[in-house]
Amino acid sequence: EAQVTQNPRYLITVTGKKLTVTCSQNMNHEYMSWYRQDPGLGLRQIYYSMNVEVTDKGDVPEGYKVSRKEKRNFPLILESPSPNQTSLYFCASSVGHPSSYEQYFGPGTRLTVT
Amino acid sequence: RKEVEQDPGPFNVPEGATVAFNCTYSNSASQSFFWYRQDCRKEPKLLMSVYSSGNEDGRFTAQLNRASQYISLLIRDSKLSDSATYLCVATPPRGTSYGKLTFGQGTILTVHP
Repeated sequence: EAQVTQNPRYLITVTGKKLTVTCSQNMNHEYMSWYRQDPGLGLRQIYYSMNVEVTDKGDVPEGYKVSRKEKRNFPLILESPSPNQTSLYFCASSVGHPSSYEQYFGPGTRLTVT
Repeated sequence: RKEVEQDPGPFNVPEGATVAFNCTYSNSASQSFFWYRQDCRKEPKLLMSVYSSGNEDGRFTAQLNRASQYISLLIRDSKLSDSATYLCVATPPRGTSYGKLTFGQGTILTVHP
């Protein structure tokens, strides 16, 4: 089944404890992206990747890191999480540039930082 | 001004009603536009692309007005199952930050019996 998977789906952690949220797609998509969703603010893009080893900042990259060493994986790293990073996170992928292709989203990761 | 703005609603309409949402964008050079649908606490899914000439998919019609910089979504004969949040998306023109996507904050629609 073609899909985008994220792990973990739910995570409660403490301030400052490094964490990684994994994202994997099995559709051989070139473009991948991370978003956070907060009430009243909608979906905001954190980072995106046009292809392997090519990443760039979205609108809210502060406090996050990403890497794209393989085409299928695009992990999101929070080196020192803070409570303002409590949010619902979505990973998405598309076969090519998102101006021309549908974004497929993962099921979401709900992160709480205390 | 936000890059992409939507009226958050909520829109509460009875079954069978026609409802329309608008979404304004600030970058006149924005290249492509889409409507996504998001059910409560679920991932967004593509509803339809928005073409310059307008497009229709069953009960849904999307329009683009470049002169006034907005896109619209019209839903006819609303069903209970149309209850969701509707997100509009604009993509930037070619150049720097070409891969960046900007979503509106979403419009909540509730269709009641």
